[in-house]
Amino acid sequence: AQTVTQSQPEMSVQEAETVTLSCTYDTSESDYYLFWYKQPPSRQMILVIRQEAYKQQNATENRFSVNFQKAAKSFSLKISDSQLGDAAMYFCAYKSGTSYGKLTFGQGTILTVHP
Amino acid sequence: DAGVIQSPRHEVTEMGQEVTLRCKPISGHDYLFWYRQTMMRGLELLIYFNNNVPIDDSGMPEDRFSAKMPNASFSTLKIQPSEPRDSAVYFCASSPLTGGLGETQYFGPGTRLLVL
Repeated sequence: AQTVTQSQPEMSVQEAETVTLSCTYDTSESDYYLFWYKQPPSRQMILVIRQEAYKQQNATENRFSVNFQKAAKSFSLKISDSQLGDAAMYFCAYKSGTSYGKLTFGQGTILTVHP
Repeated sequence: DAGVIQSPRHEVTEMGQEVTLRCKPISGHDYLFWYRQTMMRGLELLIYFNNNVPIDDSGMPEDRFSAKMPNASFSTLKIQPSEPRDSAVYFCASSPLTGGLGETQYFGPGTRLLVL
């Protein structure tokens, strides 16, 4: 079974600075997808960024980018120019590329942004 | 697009009562998922549907839980009888088929359930 580990329960960053959230996963599959979701206090799960394992190029969405290291099974999220609105719980998630079905989530990292 | 709609947003009930959570997926999406979020277990998939048919219900904790999808625009998750350990946030998510196996799941706002 696949597992996703987020080793940082909490992180903090100053507004306008950069922060990196870590995620590692364990799988025997070669075809899969990885996601970062943001959960603000409203509890809504919002997709931040998505990465296909077969793509070597790291995904980027505006201020959000990932560092995908397939051999190391690592998928970190970098937030540049942090804003107060980035404060939330961030979840890393894994999706098999061979079948439809569930997302396997990590435990989450609480990000605090200081003004 | 209105996004995934869930109701109610909050539910407080007493142990032993029946609870019904409702979900309207994004129009045109072929897959619907029910997740539960607790402090102890994090986010876990309960069941998912493809074209209104339940595909995998292995995450449903026990027979007290049941889910239906009578049509493409509506699904329910029912707990009968409810117990305090069912207290959690329940999310519904939907996803289209067009993007293939890696298609993004779009989540609703969740229902916070408290069983006293």
